[in-house]
Amino acid sequence: DAGITQSPRHKVTETGTPVTLRCHQTENHRYMYWYRQDPGHGLRLIHYSYGVKDTDKGEVSDGYSVSRSKTEDFLLTLESATSSQTSVYFCAISRQGRYEQYFGPGTRLTVT
Amino acid sequence: AQRVTQPEKLLSVFKGAPVELKCNYSYSGSPELFWYVQYSRQRLQLLLRHISRESIKGFTADLNKGETSFHLKKPFAQEEDSAMYYCALRMYSGGGADGLTFGKGTHLIIQP
Repeated sequence: DAGITQSPRHKVTETGTPVTLRCHQTENHRYMYWYRQDPGHGLRLIHYSYGVKDTDKGEVSDGYSVSRSKTEDFLLTLESATSSQTSVYFCAISRQGRYEQYFGPGTRLTVT
Repeated sequence: AQRVTQPEKLLSVFKGAPVELKCNYSYSGSPELFWYVQYSRQRLQLLLRHISRESIKGFTADLNKGETSFHLKKPFAQEEDSAMYYCALRMYSGGGADGLTFGKGTHLIIQP
């Protein structure tokens, strides 16, 4: 599992509230990613990071922000959650010089 | 823009029958492709990388640049192969942290 954990694993929140999801890895990988998984859409890249304090936007970044102050943690924040952000969120890492990614267990977020 | 197409949302075959999951891609450069498998409500697991030309769990996939395809095949399906299968294409960012573009997935059901 490449030492990747996500927290919380499940969360229910109300529209308009801020939410932060955490991805933690124990193997000191430089590259980390956040995806969302929705039926009929597969997985789509939200944001990614290529090092501490170095992040960039993916294809569906609107409404999301990220931070990476330590190598091991990559945080995804929904500033003001909306029902369209109800999804399963997956964190992933890739190893230096390799392009396959390894995924965390996912966080199921429901926005009511 | 790069794109991955998995034309079958659902594929049902009998145990012992051959399986072929289709994947077509659109990309102007030299592609790097992967197959991932997701068992019910679990994390995505890397199944195959086209550059390694390996066989995992009896599955193989060959890159056909002429047909822009990377179909996944197995000669004899087993019940434990029932899962969601995703084809993914590396997104070249130039910075080392290359996200993946995923197809929408194919749900494979193996009937006894």
